[in-house]
Amino acid sequence: QVQVVQSGAEVKKPGASVKVSCKVSGYSLTELSMHWVRQAPGKGLEWMGGVDAEEGEIVYAQKFQGRVTMTEDTSTDTAYMELSSLTSEDTAVYYCAVGAFRFDDWGQGTLVTVSS
Amino acid sequence: DIQMTQSPSSVSASVGDRVTITCRASQGISNWLAWYQQTPGKAPKLLIYGASFLQSGVPSRFSGSGSGTDFTLTISSLQPEDFATYFCQQGNSFPFTFGPGTKVDIK
Repeated sequence: QVQVVQSGAEVKKPGASVKVSCKVSGYSLTELSMHWVRQAPGKGLEWMGGVDAEEGEIVYAQKFQGRVTMTEDTSTDTAYMELSSLTSEDTAVYYCAVGAFRFDDWGQGTLVTVSS
Repeated sequence: DIQMTQSPSSVSASVGDRVTITCRASQGISNWLAWYQQTPGKAPKLLIYGASFLQSGVPSRFSGSGSGTDFTLTISSLQPEDFATYFCQQGNSFPFTFGPGTKVDIK
């Protein structure tokens, strides 16, 4: 089983950027497809983007195109998700999750609060 | 994008009850359907993948069925730890999408 540990909570001002990290252990990141899912307070789950297991490329949800960047550092088995131009609507728990067409293992979540 | 709907949005049940949750896709997704359980303050947990395959370690009282556009998650005998919110998710095509969730609470 993959262990997934995320970075801690963040508080950001509107217009700023946030970068969340996700470190995996038990497997190399190169063997996995990493995705990012967010959940606003009291709301459902929203897929933001992730690695297309068949093509090996990162695919972003249209809603976040141009505002999100997902990267990986394979030397440390750490994935990153950076979201820019934050607004209060981006206040949410951000999860990284591993899997090809479903999400087998999840990080514990990172609360990002956007407030002036 | 493929839209996922779930019914009911909430259900009140007692320990020992049989609970059935339905998920519908706006277009056919074959069996690329997964179910998750989420309790407050926790990350979702994968229960079922491929519409009917039980994830390792998940109790056998959980089962899934369906193909195409209509899917079902059944809990055969509800246990206290099963009071949670359940989400379906399609992995047929990008963007992956989730259903809005079904909350199972105590009657």
